[in-house]
Amino acid sequence: GAVVSQHPSRVICKSGTSVKIECRSLDFQATTMFWYRQFPKQSLMLMATSNEGSKATYEQGVEKDKFLINHASLTLSTLTVTSAHPEDSSFYICSATKQGNQPQHFGDGTRLSIL
Amino acid sequence: AQSVTQLDSHVSVSEGTPVLLRCNYSSSYSPSLFWYVQHPNKGLQLLLKYTSAATLVKGINGFEAEFKKSETSFHLTKPSAHMSDAAEYFCVVTLTGGGNKLTFGTGTQLKVEL
Repeated sequence: GAVVSQHPSRVICKSGTSVKIECRSLDFQATTMFWYRQFPKQSLMLMATSNEGSKATYEQGVEKDKFLINHASLTLSTLTVTSAHPEDSSFYICSATKQGNQPQHFGDGTRLSIL
Repeated sequence: AQSVTQLDSHVSVSEGTPVLLRCNYSSSYSPSLFWYVQHPNKGLQLLLKYTSAATLVKGINGFEAEFKKSETSFHLTKPSAHMSDAAEYFCVVTLTGGGNKLTFGTGTQLKVEL
């Protein structure tokens, strides 16, 4: 149990376009979802915390107008990278948790490449 | 505040030999600690977790870790390495069971040689 699906797994697009990444909890209801960014050979950096039905809480230094997060249901959160540029190229990973004290379960990540 | 230090960025072992990946933590309160594994271009998979119950925690794939408060350590071990264990391993700390913010270590790349 506790499967998190992330889609797409890989995106290559032109500079200036917007890209939407979906994160779904397939067999449980996720009260909280998290979005991370990982640069090559580095650890995960938390971008934002998303609770169903409320606005996401962004970490310091993360542009909320650049990285739009929507958590419309207990099984789906989306991250939209708006007007993407090459410096936004990275590996984006989501995670979801059933309740406040339960471990986070991670998706397989999305490799975003902006040309 | 909380932090995690993974002392080795790279560890190389021979197949069939023991694995030791080191982790030290710093936390103002009783922490919850986790080990996650990441294979190339994949998300993270939970190996095991410590949440103030037994100090010796057994996880999946033969891994285990021991919480030592006196040493503020949570080292990951496995008696016999397998080729499929080659991956990146992250030690993680949080103040709760994991549903709140996680603080990640910088990771240890495990290489398993024939």
